[in-house]
Amino acid sequence: DTGVSQNPRHKITKRGQNVTFRCDPISEHNRLYWYRQTLGQGPEFLTYFQNEAQLEKSRLLSDRFSAERPKGSFSTLEIQRTEQGDSAMYLCASSPTTGEADGYTFGSGTRLTVV
Amino acid sequence: GQNIDQPTEMTATEGAIVQINCTYQTSGFNGLFWYQQHAGEAPTFLSYNVLDGLEEKGRFSSFLSRSKGYSYLLLKELQMKDSASYLCAVRQDSNYQLIWGAGTKLIIKP
Repeated sequence: DTGVSQNPRHKITKRGQNVTFRCDPISEHNRLYWYRQTLGQGPEFLTYFQNEAQLEKSRLLSDRFSAERPKGSFSTLEIQRTEQGDSAMYLCASSPTTGEADGYTFGSGTRLTVV
Repeated sequence: GQNIDQPTEMTATEGAIVQINCTYQTSGFNGLFWYQQHAGEAPTFLSYNVLDGLEEKGRFSSFLSRSKGYSYLLLKELQMKDSASYLCAVRQDSNYQLIWGAGTKLIIKP
């Protein structure tokens, strides 16, 4: 297992276009999280899955954002009608149900630039 | 409200010791994490505290006082590679969502 994998690493898109990011968590981790991070700030929670169930979604997340984890393995995050304010690093993390002392494992992130 | 405060930036000398403080006000508490983040990279886990006291892990130690809403990360024998941002994060409840501070940028000088 090579850890949490995110694709693509970088994405440049024009305003108004749709984008989709993928996250492959550590295989034995059943919890998966999406965060967004802008320069000089800590990560901001977007949404959280336990297996295939989306258990929590940030109130800050607009209807243009949607996430899925169809088989409880990989997850996708889609942003529709992108805006310049969506430019950020999108981080995926996974964790097991137990062993909370080990923390989360983050992927390398997808850096989105909306022009 | 929920708030996690850390200094924005600190500077220290190679070989020295530095303490990075974090204060928090959250609606619940179920553990505090410290992460290291190099520029352009993802955060990596450093330490976890859920009970009061000091947790030591090699050159890094982390302290927690729940009654004071306070934690610190202590880095000893600083190396140039320790130049990074250090993020404090609090888990409020059992759903494992973390609330993050903005991070402390640590600059190590020779």
